[in-house]
Amino acid sequence: EVQLVESGGGLVKPGGSLRLSCAASGLSFTDAWMIWVRQAPGKGLEWVGRIKSKTDDGTTDYAPPVRARFTISRDDSKNMLFLQMNSLKLEDTGMYYCATVGRPGFTYGSFASWGQGTLVTVSS
Amino acid sequence: DIQMTQSPSSVSASVGDRVTITCRASQVITSWLAWYQQKPGKAPKLLIYAASNLQSGVPSRFSGSASGTDFTLTISSLQPEDFATYYCQQADSFPWTFGQGTKVEIK
Repeated sequence: EVQLVESGGGLVKPGGSLRLSCAASGLSFTDAWMIWVRQAPGKGLEWVGRIKSKTDDGTTDYAPPVRARFTISRDDSKNMLFLQMNSLKLEDTGMYYCATVGRPGFTYGSFASWGQGTLVTVSS
Repeated sequence: DIQMTQSPSSVSASVGDRVTITCRASQVITSWLAWYQQKPGKAPKLLIYAASNLQSGVPSRFSGSASGTDFTLTISSLQPEDFATYYCQQADSFPWTFGQGTKVEIK
């Protein structure tokens, strides 16, 4: 069974930084494409970004609101996914989820396994 | 960006009812469309992928279909555990986008 456990959320001031982690187990993490999705309090889901597996070139793509401020990375030796968030804004407040995403093929672009989320609060 | 517009925003229904939720894309997209169920305080759960394929373990009362820019999620006979918010999501082009959600409430 795939397990994803996020950590690293907390309270941070506007302009500050935070690094979220996602520990993965129960899957071949080296081959996995991964994403981050966030959800502001009481609002809908918002895709944040995606990282391919290193065997598929390891490239990243981001949603426009976070491009140039957020960076997704991975440590395959530790089965870990990261989200480095810089220049945080009030509107970045929300629950952040990591998830697996289907690679090119039948399940492409669908988010099958999710973590429980970690809460980020940006406030002065 | 591709906008995904869900309708209705909310629906009140009874156990046993047939419920249909529509997601309309702002332009023609491929069938890389997924549906998710989210209950309060929980992570979303994948129901349907590639527009019409049932995720493993999801009850067969859930089904998806596509017609042009319209995608539909149907619950054939609503069960008590189905009261939740449902989201569509496109992976045709970046940025990947979700619909705004449809809340299915108890009538």
